[in-house]
Amino acid sequence: GDSVTQMEGPVTLSEEAFLTINCTYTATGYPSLFWYVQYPGEGLQLLLKATKADDKGSNKGFEATYRKETTSFHLEKGSVQVSDSAVYFCALKGGGADGLTFGKGTHLIIQP
Amino acid sequence: NAGVMQNPRHLVRRRGQEARLRCSPMKGHSHVYWYRQLPEEGLKFMVYLQKENIIDESGMPKERFSAEFPKEGPSILRIQQVVRGDSAAYFCASSPPTRGSSNYGYTFGSGTRLTVV
Repeated sequence: GDSVTQMEGPVTLSEEAFLTINCTYTATGYPSLFWYVQYPGEGLQLLLKATKADDKGSNKGFEATYRKETTSFHLEKGSVQVSDSAVYFCALKGGGADGLTFGKGTHLIIQP
Repeated sequence: NAGVMQNPRHLVRRRGQEARLRCSPMKGHSHVYWYRQLPEEGLKFMVYLQKENIIDESGMPKERFSAEFPKEGPSILRIQQVVRGDSAAYFCASSPPTRGSSNYGYTFGSGTRLTVV
């Protein structure tokens, strides 16, 4: 079945550092790919998405490119802020599925 | 996020009791999805419902768990005879009628944290 693997956390960075959170997937067909962010005590918010190969999703300075050849959707940001501290989830939706398949989440901690 | 309302935010139940979790979808959304998040795990899909219909319950445990989305009122996830292993965060998401579309308008609620003691 479909699966998503993302790097284990926590990831601790200093403010203004460059961020990469790796995400790879296994799926049949051509899934849509998503990054969600969860702030403490809140639900998940869609951060960005990409629906086909080579698409780049971007939002709030975050970017991720749908790489079909490497089955990856790595999340990047050039300069992180303390307010980016949260748990980040990579997810996919296969063409025949009704729900999303999530990775385990990566806890990001940004220190001032 | 504020559009999908889940209550209660926190629920404590003793083993053997019943737990009822409620989800009111965002205005204009007619599709509801329930997910479970176990400690240190990602979210796992449980069930997908439309009004008065269960469309996909492939992620629901076969026993003790049930879900409904009546014509009027919120969607309910019901867990009978809870056990310690049911302790988790349960999230509801809603979307407009876009099944099969890749342009997903999922909106998640803040979740219900169930603790079984």
